[in-house]
Amino acid sequence: QSALTQPASVSGSPGQSITISCTGTSSDVGGYNYVSWYQQHPGKAPKLMLYDVTSRPSGVSNRFSGSKSGNTASLTISGLQAEDEADYYCSSYRSSSVYVFGTGTKVTVL
Amino acid sequence: QVQLVESGGDLVKPGGSLRLSCAASGFAFSEYYMYWIRQAPGKGLEWVSYISSSGTTIYYADSVKGRFTISRDNAKNSLYLQMNSLRAEDTAVYYCARLYSTIDYWGQGTLVTVSS
Repeated sequence: QSALTQPASVSGSPGQSITISCTGTSSDVGGYNYVSWYQQHPGKAPKLMLYDVTSRPSGVSNRFSGSKSGNTASLTISGLQAEDEADYYCSSYRSSSVYVFGTGTKVTVL
Repeated sequence: QVQLVESGGDLVKPGGSLRLSCAASGFAFSEYYMYWIRQAPGKGLEWVSYISSSGTTIYYADSVKGRFTISRDNAKNSLYLQMNSLRAEDTAVYYCARLYSTIDYWGQGTLVTVSS
């Protein structure tokens, strides 16, 4: 099961906005509006930040937003803060309750 | 609140076996699909297996098919992963996770190290 493609790293200064892309195929990202994004700090479990492309779980800052166009989904973090420095993974439904994850992106706050 | 607590990770020799457990609390465990997801050191996330709420539907990643067995005991609110014929490439932190619209809650993980 091949992974979704994400940039290895993205960086930005405090207060700036950054966008992380997640590219799949018509069999996953492009075929369903079931893209999720997870934040993972070192040594910690992943935390759900967005689901169904644009929905935020309760308690997640509205600085995190999502979108999708064709086979590519995107996560935008606006007003970048030091605490946003972490690894981010996208995930998409593929079929038969199988989910595929992205390769992961390291976000650095300069 | 939702809690998932994994246990059973250990250092094991290649070819050996291990059984992971995941204790769930704070939600109606018997109503949810459950997943095992792993993360090799310094690597990304890899879906390993899932089991339906009743246990009747099970899927495995190709990388573990025929070697790993997922199961659950709804009376004990517990999820299991029996891992046989372990290989070095199975070395990872293993997370149990819940499916609710998406994979929403994860445990803290348990480390499995396969090495001689």
